[in-house]
Amino acid sequence: AQSVTQLDSQVPVFEEAPVELRCNYSSSVSVYLFWYVQYPNQGLQLLLKYLSGSTLVKGINGFEAEFNKSQTSFHLRKPSVHISDTAEYFCAVSENFGNEKLTFGTGTRLTIIP
Amino acid sequence: GAVVSQHPSRVICKSGTSVKIECRSLDFQATTMFWYRQFPKQSLMLMATSNEGSKATYEQGVEKDKFLINHASLTLSTLTVTSAHPEDSSFYICSARSQGNYGYTFGSGTRLTVV
Repeated sequence: AQSVTQLDSQVPVFEEAPVELRCNYSSSVSVYLFWYVQYPNQGLQLLLKYLSGSTLVKGINGFEAEFNKSQTSFHLRKPSVHISDTAEYFCAVSENFGNEKLTFGTGTRLTIIP
Repeated sequence: GAVVSQHPSRVICKSGTSVKIECRSLDFQATTMFWYRQFPKQSLMLMATSNEGSKATYEQGVEKDKFLINHASLTLSTLTVTSAHPEDSSFYICSARSQGNYGYTFGSGTRLTVV
C-alpha cells in the first residue's frame, strides 16, 4: 500500500519570498504523483502532476515540483509567493491507474505574510 | 477542461433524517467516481469508489448501509447519508476520473451539518 508524508503542517512565508512544501511517499511499485490546492470550503484544484518523463514538472500559478525517485520525494516549489497563495496544499499518490485510488498526505497550510 | 459539479454546497439537517449529495461530471463521462470525507483541518479520507452500473467499493471502516452510493449513469453519482447523526457532520467531496489527461477532477464539496 502507498502512503504520503507531508512533514510540515504549517508553513509561514513572507510575500515575494520563495517556498518549498515537502512531500515524501512510500510505495512498492511505480507511482504517479499530484499536488492539489484547497481554498477554504472548496474542493481541490490540481496544481500539477507527474506521470512519467521529465522529473521537473511545471504547474499552474507558477508552481513546480521535482520527482526524485531515489529520495522518494515530490517537493513543491514556487520562487516568489503572493498573498493569494494562502491555502491548504495536499500531496497525493496513485500507484497505478488500475485501482485509481488517490492517497493524500495530511496537508500543509501555507500562510503568506504581507 | 473537465468539470465536476457537486450539490448542495451546504446542508443542515436534523438528526435521524437522510441527506442526498449529488456529483455530476458536466463535460465528460466518468465511469469511476470517488467519495471523500474531510474533517476540519485534516486530510481527505477515501470513503468509497463508485463505478457506473455496479456496486460501490467501500473502504474499510465505512458503513455501507449508512453511506449509500448510487452511480446510475456515466455522469452522476450520489451519496446518501442515512439516519444522520451529529458525528456525520463533515465536509464531503466527490472526485471523478477524467480519461483524457489522467486527472482526477474534484467537486467543490458539501458541508453537512447535522443538528
